Amino acid sequence: AQTVTQSQPEMSVQEAETVTLSCTYDTSENNYYLFWYKQPPSRQMILVIRQEAYKQQNATENRFSVNFQKAAKSFSLKISDSQLGDTAMYFCAFMPTWGGSEKLVFGKGTKLTVNP
Amino acid sequence: DTGVSQDPRHKITKRGQNVTFRCDPISEHNRLYWYRQTLGQGPEFLTYFQNEAQLEKSRLLSDRFSAERPKGSFSTLEIQRTEQGDSAMYLCASSQSNGELFFGEGSRLTVL
Repeated sequence: AQTVTQSQPEMSVQEAETVTLSCTYDTSENNYYLFWYKQPPSRQMILVIRQEAYKQQNATENRFSVNFQKAAKSFSLKISDSQLGDTAMYFCAFMPTWGGSEKLVFGKGTKLTVNP
Repeated sequence: DTGVSQDPRHKITKRGQNVTFRCDPISEHNRLYWYRQTLGQGPEFLTYFQNEAQLEKSRLLSDRFSAERPKGSFSTLEIQRTEQGDSAMYLCASSQSNGELFFGEGSRLTVL
C-alpha cells in the first residue's frame, strides 16, 4: 500500500519570503504521479503542481516549484515570494499511473500561514 | 458553471437517520471519486467510478455506505443509520484519465 508522509503539521513564513514544504512517500510502483494540492480555509481543494515520476525535470508553476528525488522518494514544494493568499492547508498526494489503483493517496497536510 | 458541484453543502441530522449527498462532476470527466475529510486530516479515499462502474471501494466504506453513479453522470453517496463518527466533510472529485482531480466544495455532515 502506498503511504504519503508530511512531517510538518504547521509552518509559517513572512510575506515575500520563500518556504519549503516536505513530503515523502512509500511505494513499490515505478510509474506514478505526485501532486501538491492547496485547500484554503473553507474553500475547495485546488491543484498547485503535478509531477510525473518518469520525468527527471522538476515541475514549476510560476512561484511554485518542486524538488523531486525519486530514489529518496521525496517530493518537496517550494513557494517563492510568498503571498497572503498562499495561506492554506497543503496536501501532498500520490497516484500510480499504470495497473495500480487510480486513487489519490493524501498526506495529512501542512498548514501554512503567510504573515504580513 | 464548469466545476464540480455538491449538494447539500451542509447537512445536520440526528443519529440513526439516513442522508444522501449528490455530486455533479465536470461533464466530460469519466472518473468520479468520493473522499471523506475530518478536521485536521487529509482526505481519505472512499470509492471511485469510471463511467457507471464502481471500480474500487475502501474498507472505510462500511455496509451503511453506498454510492451510485447511474448513467455515468452524477453520483450519490448515501449513509444509512448515521453515527456520530460519520460527521465529516464528504468531498467529490472528477477527472479524465490524466490523473488530475478537480474537487467540489464538499458536503459537511454533522450527526447529533
